Amino acid sequence: QVQLQESGPGLVKPSETLSLTCTVSGGSISSYYWSWIRQPAGKGLEWIGRIYTSGSTNYNPSLKSRVTMSVDTSKNQFSLKLSSVTAADTAVYYCARQWLGVDYWGQGTLVTVSS
Amino acid sequence: DIQMTQSPSSLSASVGDRVTITCRASQGISNSLAWYQQKPGKAPKLLLYAASRLESGVPSRFSGSGSGTDYTLTISSLQPEDFATYYCQQYYSTLPITFGQGTRLEIK
Repeated sequence: QVQLQESGPGLVKPSETLSLTCTVSGGSISSYYWSWIRQPAGKGLEWIGRIYTSGSTNYNPSLKSRVTMSVDTSKNQFSLKLSSVTAADTAVYYCARQWLGVDYWGQGTLVTVSS
Repeated sequence: DIQMTQSPSSLSASVGDRVTITCRASQGISNSLAWYQQKPGKAPKLLLYAASRLESGVPSRFSGSGSGTDYTLTISSLQPEDFATYYCQQYYSTLPITFGQGTRLEIK
């Protein structure tokens, strides 16, 4: 059973960089797309982007200038960096495996942007 | 972007009812559509992919249909555990992958 777990700071200051890591267990990270999706409180789901295990990325154009994703296959981890954050970036951030639909999700981690 | 519009935004129904939720894409997505169920405080759960293929372990009362721009999720006989928020997602275009705004299914 594949499991995903997000880790990283729960509080980030405005203008700083949000950094999250997702650790994949119970299966190999290889040969799948790995996504980051976020959800502000009480709102819908927003796809941030995805990375393939080769390192190829697709980012949401609305966030592209601020997003960087990376993958470390040796650690079965992938990561998200979102720069120049504002209060509008406060959300629950999910890491997920995307193939035909997102079949595995992390539990989500709340990241609050506040000074 | 491909815009995904779900209707209705909210819905009240009773246990045993048949319920249909619609998702319309702003352009054709060739059945590249998934449906999710989300309960409060939990990650979404994949119900169907490729518009009509049931994810392993999902009860058969859930079904999906559609083509082109219009897709539906049907729950044939609502169970108490089905009251949740449902989202559609298109993955035809990755620039970007987009979700519908959600349909909240409440107990009448």
